[in-house]
Amino acid sequence: EADIYQTPRYLVIGTGKKITLECSQTMGHDKMYWYQQDPGMELHLIHYSYGVNSTEKGDLSSESTVSRIRTEHFPLTLESARPSHTSQYLCASSVSDGATEAFFGQGTRLTVV
Amino acid sequence: RKEVEQDPGPFNVPEGATVAFNCTYSNSASQSFFWYRQDCRKEPKLLMSVYSSGNEDGRFTAQLNRASQYISLLIRDSKLSDSATYLCVATSWGEGKLIFGQGTELSVKP
Repeated sequence: EADIYQTPRYLVIGTGKKITLECSQTMGHDKMYWYQQDPGMELHLIHYSYGVNSTEKGDLSSESTVSRIRTEHFPLTLESARPSHTSQYLCASSVSDGATEAFFGQGTRLTVV
Repeated sequence: RKEVEQDPGPFNVPEGATVAFNCTYSNSASQSFFWYRQDCRKEPKLLMSVYSSGNEDGRFTAQLNRASQYISLLIRDSKLSDSATYLCVATSWGEGKLIFGQGTELSVKP
């Protein structure tokens, strides 16, 4: 099993609330990613990081923000949740060489009501 | 055009069938390629890496054709437990982004 953890697994929250989705890995990986996936649909990269203090936007525009203050931690924040943010959010990490696999957390299933 | 494109699914096959998935990538700088498997409502997990020389793991064979920018996955003697969505992934060492195809759903029936 991969040592990458996401919390919470499931979250139901009201419109307008601020939320932070947590992602932590204990593998010492430099690269971390956030993907958004609707049921039965493809994965969309929304944020990634090469290492501490590095954050980049992915290919899908997202109203969320991320930070990377520590190697092992890559939280994603939504300042004001909306129903359109309802989705599954998957965090992943990999080593820096780009030639090896990425490991995924179990995901956070977010519902905004 | 999507950077990584896969065969549209779903593929519905009987047990024991051989099934092939195809994937093309548009970024010639892509260096590493993978096939992932994703079960319903679960996270993707690595099935196998794809090497230029081709590689085999039991019933699964992956091929890479850099000239045509094409990747394939062959599953022989398919089992009910092979039912899942198969994701093609490309990455470039420079950018370091993992780009996923849209996935091809496989359903193996008794």
